[in-house]
Amino acid sequence: QVQLVQSGAEVKKPGASVKVSCKASGYTFTSYYMHWVRQAPGQGLEWMGIINPSGGSTSYAQKFQGRVTMTRDTSTSTVYMELSSLRSEDTAVYYCARPKAPMVRGVYYGMDVWGQGTTVTVSS
Amino acid sequence: DIVMTQTPLSLSVTPGQPASISCKSSQSLLHSDGKTYLYWYLQKPGQPPQLLIYEVSNRFSGVPDRFSGSGSGTDFTLKISRVEAEDVGVYYCMQSIQLPQTFGQGTKLEIK
Repeated sequence: QVQLVQSGAEVKKPGASVKVSCKASGYTFTSYYMHWVRQAPGQGLEWMGIINPSGGSTSYAQKFQGRVTMTRDTSTSTVYMELSSLRSEDTAVYYCARPKAPMVRGVYYGMDVWGQGTTVTVSS
Repeated sequence: DIVMTQTPLSLSVTPGQPASISCKSSQSLLHSDGKTYLYWYLQKPGQPPQLLIYEVSNRFSGVPDRFSGSGSGTDFTLKISRVEAEDVGVYYCMQSIQLPQTFGQGTKLEIK
């Protein structure tokens, strides 16, 4: 079955970086984009960016430009999301999520498979 | 960015009664391929979101038929014909016609 398994919870100090992994299984890794979405405590869902696991190209939400880097390792079917210069407002659950359908030029699909979430706590 | 606006932000419903959530987008979600990229999710406490409806009105696999979606262009609605206790959580609409993908604020459904 299709599955996304994320790395464990992290506690970081302000100014540090965090790198969250998301290992995919049960489908052709390079055929589907991967999204990252976060949710601060008690808040809604916030889209952070997308990576094309085939070529590695990315697109980030303007809010995170310059602080977020999404990468992939096709040998292990894993995508990574690194967020730098952490501040308390980055305390959140971070999700990877796979779109419902394979990549099609010019089309972005909504997500149907989500990782379990990774809690990142930023505190001094 | 496309702004997604949901109403109401909270609902309290008696089991067996219907419920309806509205979602309006600041731009049309109709793509040149003829599809409308509007999705509905339910997030239960402590869980990631789960897909309920895709492309306005298509129920995702395993979703009970008491859930239905409708709408076009910029105005969309999620309806639950008869609310059950397991339907509690926060409902989100989301657009994927363009990046950044954006979500509504969420509608919290509770049972009376």
